[in-house]
Amino acid sequence: AQSVAQPEDQVNVAEGNPLTVKCTYSVSGNPYLFWYVQYPNRGLQFLLKYITGDNLVKGSYGFEAEFNKSQTSFHLKKPSALVSDSALYFCAVRDGGDNTDKLIFGTGTRLQVFP
Amino acid sequence: GAGVSQTPSNKVTEKGKYVELRCDPISGHTALYWYRQSLGQGPEFLIYFQGTGAADDSGLPNDRFFAVRPEGSVSTLKIQRTERGDSAVYLCASSLTGRAGELFFGEGSRLTVL
Repeated sequence: AQSVAQPEDQVNVAEGNPLTVKCTYSVSGNPYLFWYVQYPNRGLQFLLKYITGDNLVKGSYGFEAEFNKSQTSFHLKKPSALVSDSALYFCAVRDGGDNTDKLIFGTGTRLQVFP
Repeated sequence: GAGVSQTPSNKVTEKGKYVELRCDPISGHTALYWYRQSLGQGPEFLIYFQGTGAADDSGLPNDRFFAVRPEGSVSTLKIQRTERGDSAVYLCASSLTGRAGELFFGEGSRLTVL
């Protein structure tokens, strides 16, 4: 079965500093990987996805993620953090073949950006 | 509105009661998903519809849980004989084609079973 792991429950970073939120995956076949963000009292929002192609994927709000096949990782990054980036971040992997968007989510990482 | 709409936003019920949660997906989206999110956890897959049919119901925890989508649009998640362990936020999402696209989530229905 497909799975993702987010090893950090919380990441703290100062505003203006670069941030990284870690995710590793375990899949059979080619991985379809996603990042979603959940702001307080809001639904999950899509940030970016990797299907194929360039290992560096750019997404919404200045976020990007680097796909690393040898390390089975898909870490989320942003060069300069904003206080408004503080939220819960979920890594996810598609499960079930080509004709589904069924996603398996990680346990989430809370990002706290301090002014 | 243009997004996924879920009602009710909050539901408090007593153990043993029956509950229905409704999801109105984005117009034209053929795929619809139900997830459950417990406190401190990631969303857990329950069931996936492609059109009117349940393409994958492998995440439903037991036979007390059932979901329908009779006309391929609105879906209802039904929980019989609720238990305290059913307390969670139930999330609905839709996608345009159901093929490795972006999922659009509603804000969820928070269920509390006393």
